[in-house]
Amino acid sequence: GENVEQHPSTLSVQEGDSAVIKCTYSDSASNYFPWYKQELGKRPQLIIDIRSNVGEKKDQRIAVTLNKTAKHFSLHITETQPEDSAVYFCAASIDDKIIFGKGTRLHILP
Amino acid sequence: DTGVSQDPRHKITKRGQNVTFRCDPISEHNRLYWYRQTLGQGPEFLTYFQNEAQLEKSRLLSDRFSAERPKGSFSTLEIQRTEQGDSAMYLCASIRLGIAETQYFGPGTRLLVL
Repeated sequence: GENVEQHPSTLSVQEGDSAVIKCTYSDSASNYFPWYKQELGKRPQLIIDIRSNVGEKKDQRIAVTLNKTAKHFSLHITETQPEDSAVYFCAASIDDKIIFGKGTRLHILP
Repeated sequence: DTGVSQDPRHKITKRGQNVTFRCDPISEHNRLYWYRQTLGQGPEFLTYFQNEAQLEKSRLLSDRFSAERPKGSFSTLEIQRTEQGDSAMYLCASIRLGIAETQYFGPGTRLLVL
C-alpha cells in the first residue's frame, strides 16, 4: 500500500553540527517529495521540495537528495541553529495525494 | 501567512455531537485537501476536491465523516456522532493544479471530544 517510512523518530545534534533525516517510499510512480517543518502548535510549513527529475536540491543550509532507484530521499541541515528545533516530515506524492512520514523530532543542543 | 484559513481554530464537544469545520483555500487554488493529525504523527490524508468534485476519500475514513465543496471555493468537513478517537488536529491544504504541487496548509482546527 501507500507508505512513507521516516527515520529516526528523534534526533539530537549539537548546535553547529549537521542533521540528516532519511525517508523511503513505496510507490515507484511518486514524483514529488516535499519536506515540512512543524513547530509546536503550528501548521506544517514547506521548507524544501524536490521532483523526480532532479537528484539534489539545495537552499542555503538545507539540502535534499533523491535516489529514485532505491526509493530513498534525505534531508540534510548543516550548521544547525536553535531555531531548527522542530518536527520534520517527509512526504511523497502518490496518486494526486501527499502521503506523510511519521516525523522526526529534531533537538538542537546548546 | 499562506492564505489558507480555517474556522474554528478550536472546538470542544461532547461525544455524540456533530461538528462542522470550514476551510477557505487560497482563492485561485482549485484543489483542496483535508488531513487529520494526531499527536506524534504526520498528517493523514482524508479526502480531496478538485473544484467542487470530491475525487477521493480515504478508505480509513468512517461514514460519520462527510465533506463538501459546493461552489468550488470553501469546503466543509462534518463529523457526525463524534467519538473520543476523533480528537485531533484537522488540517486543510490547497494547491493550484497545473502550476505547482506545493500544498499550503491552513492553521488547522483542533478538536477535542470529551
